[in-house]
Amino acid sequence: QVTLRESGPALVKPTQTLTLTCTFSGFALSSRGMCVSWIRQPPGKALEWLARIDWDDDKHYSTSLQTRLTVSKDTSKNQVVLTMTNMDPVDTGTYYCAREVTTVALDYWGQGTLVTVSS
Amino acid sequence: DIQMTQSPSSLSASVGDRVTITCRASQSISSYLNWYQQKPGKAPKLLIYVASSLQSGVPSRFSGSGSGTDFSLTISSLQPEDFATYYCQQSYSTPRTFGQGTKLEIK
Repeated sequence: QVTLRESGPALVKPTQTLTLTCTFSGFALSSRGMCVSWIRQPPGKALEWLARIDWDDDKHYSTSLQTRLTVSKDTSKNQVVLTMTNMDPVDTGTYYCAREVTTVALDYWGQGTLVTVSS
Repeated sequence: DIQMTQSPSSLSASVGDRVTITCRASQSISSYLNWYQQKPGKAPKLLIYVASSLQSGVPSRFSGSGSGTDFSLTISSLQPEDFATYYCQQSYSTPRTFGQGTKLEIK
């Protein structure tokens, strides 16, 4: 049974760095073809893909956000960490992590975590 | 980046109707197109992958078609639980990109 769960602060101040953790079970990120992606959704708006880390530690980022994003993994803990620097109120939204297998589709999603950026 | 454009942005329909949502890519993505359903307050759910493959557990009234730049999602007979927002997403290249969504509402 595949599960993913996002965790991190619910509130961050402008200019701070956000750190989110995705803890997963039911698959091994070290297995060929396994990837974990981050996606966010501002309130009432569309989904936005942020980043992905692959089984071989290859990393991919949103073009518009790549200077602010870092994704990493701890295979032994079954965790993927996303950091986003210089947070702004427009970054407010629900952040999801999801599994992608063999670059096909996001087949399992976490429940999401709401992050509010406000002073 | 590959741009994904969905139409319509919103759609009103009745239970039992057949509805089709379209998605266009800014360049050819072969068949690397996925469809997701999202209900309020919930995570998206994968419905269709690689344009026409039905994800396990998804009802057969959902179907997908298309290749290249033009794709569609069809619901053959709308059920009350199908009223939601639908997103297309390309998995041809990174960065991955989503369409802007189509909100399906009850008429």
